[in-house]
Amino acid sequence: DGGITQSPKYLFRKEGQNVTLSCEQNLNHDAMYWYRQDPGQGLRLIYYSQIVNDFQKGDIAEGYSVSREKKESFPLTVTSAQKNPTAFYLCASSPLTALNTEAFFGQGTRLTVV
Amino acid sequence: AQTVTQSQPEMSVQEAETVTLSCTYDTSENNYYLFWYKQPPSRQMILVIRQEAYKQQNATENRFSVNFQKAAKSFSLKISDSQLGDTAMYFCAFRTISSGSARQLTFGSGTQLTVLP
Repeated sequence: DGGITQSPKYLFRKEGQNVTLSCEQNLNHDAMYWYRQDPGQGLRLIYYSQIVNDFQKGDIAEGYSVSREKKESFPLTVTSAQKNPTAFYLCASSPLTALNTEAFFGQGTRLTVV
Repeated sequence: AQTVTQSQPEMSVQEAETVTLSCTYDTSENNYYLFWYKQPPSRQMILVIRQEAYKQQNATENRFSVNFQKAAKSFSLKISDSQLGDTAMYFCAFRTISSGSARQLTFGSGTQLTVLP
């Protein structure tokens, strides 16, 4: 079945470490997104990509990095520069041509700094 | 930039009754899309309903319907015959048709709905 897979479901990071969250989709979608979810703040956009080898900063990109080497994959690295990384992270994808199509979401990764 | 506001952080409703969740947004665009997503305790985001701004008719999906007031920039969600499984966080979302931003979704802060038995 087509969908978006995020891994791992839970991730623990020590302070000062970089960690990478995986996001893979087999929906043949051009656009992929990373959102951060904190209580009471909804979903905030970290990075997005419309095409392979291209990506753009969202509203809260500081302390994060991404790559888009393949259409199917859009990993997110949380660097040590991110001062408050504990949050729930959601990856999404959507086609760019079907304008009324909703974004499809993965099941999320819960990152905790220990 | 677009903003989406959900002014009700929490709501509750008795099973089988009707509840309305509010959403307002701000945009200078004339054509866009609006969505309501549901996030149950599993945290999986599930599309509930969508509305195309150029359509005057309000969207309906079974027990879920919207009241779309374009001039007022309001997009409320009505849930009829509420069920226990409707308990979830509900997010209102706006999607631009402008290609420059990859047509990203902008979300409100959410409304936690609890259906009481």
